[in-house]
Amino acid sequence: DAKTTQPPSMDCAEGRAANLPCNHSTISGNEYVYWYRQIHSQGPQYIIHGLKNNETNEMASLIITEDRKSSTLILPHATLRDTAVYYCIVSGGNKLVFGAGTILRVKS
Amino acid sequence: GAVVSQHPSRVICKSGTSVKIECRSLDFQATTMFWYRQFPKQSLMLMATSNEGSKATYEQGVEKDKFLINHASLTLSTLTVTSAHPEDSSFYICSARGAPGNEEKLFFGSGTQLSVL
Repeated sequence: DAKTTQPPSMDCAEGRAANLPCNHSTISGNEYVYWYRQIHSQGPQYIIHGLKNNETNEMASLIITEDRKSSTLILPHATLRDTAVYYCIVSGGNKLVFGAGTILRVKS
Repeated sequence: GAVVSQHPSRVICKSGTSVKIECRSLDFQATTMFWYRQFPKQSLMLMATSNEGSKATYEQGVEKDKFLINHASLTLSTLTVTSAHPEDSSFYICSARGAPGNEEKLFFGSGTQLSVL
C-alpha cells in the first residue's frame, strides 16, 4: 500500500473550516484514500473515503486532486469535539496501515 | 451503521497470566477482522489479519505464539495475550471489514487497555 505524508499538527478556530492535507504521490490506480480519526483512548472512527471523485457525507468532504497524488479532508465547521488525530490512509481495500496522522486542535 | 464491540475495555493482570480480548461485529458478518496495538503517543500498529475459519496472518515481528488469534465465527474474533509481561501493556484495538455494500470500510472497536503488573 502507498505511503502517506501528513503535517504533524494543525490548529483551527472553532466554527471555521478545517482543511487537512495529505500527500500520497505513490498511490496506484486501485487504491482508495481513507480518512479516520481517533480521539484519545478510543478506537478510530471512519470519516470518509474515495477513489478519484470528490466525496461528501454528513461529517466531511474529501477533495482528491486529478492526479490523485494528494487529497484534502475538509471539516466545514469545526467544533471542539473535532479535536483528534486524523489519519489519511491509502489502501487497495484489504488491511489499513496507519501512519503518524495529524493532530488537529480546534480552539475556541 | 456497522458496530464493532470489543470487550473488556480495560484489564489489569499479573505478569505470567493470559488475557483474552473479544471482538464482535454486532450487526453484520465479518469474514475478516484485524488486530492492532497502540503504545502511548504512537500510531496504531497492525498485528495480524484474522480470517474466519482459517489461521491468522501475522505481521512481521509479531509473535504468533504470544498473541493467539481465533476467528471461529463470522461475528467473533478473539486475541489472547499469553503469559503476559509488563512490556505487553498496550492499547489493543480490533476492526472488522464491513458487510457487502460497506466492504471497503473498516469499523473499529473501542479498544482494550491492557496493563500487566
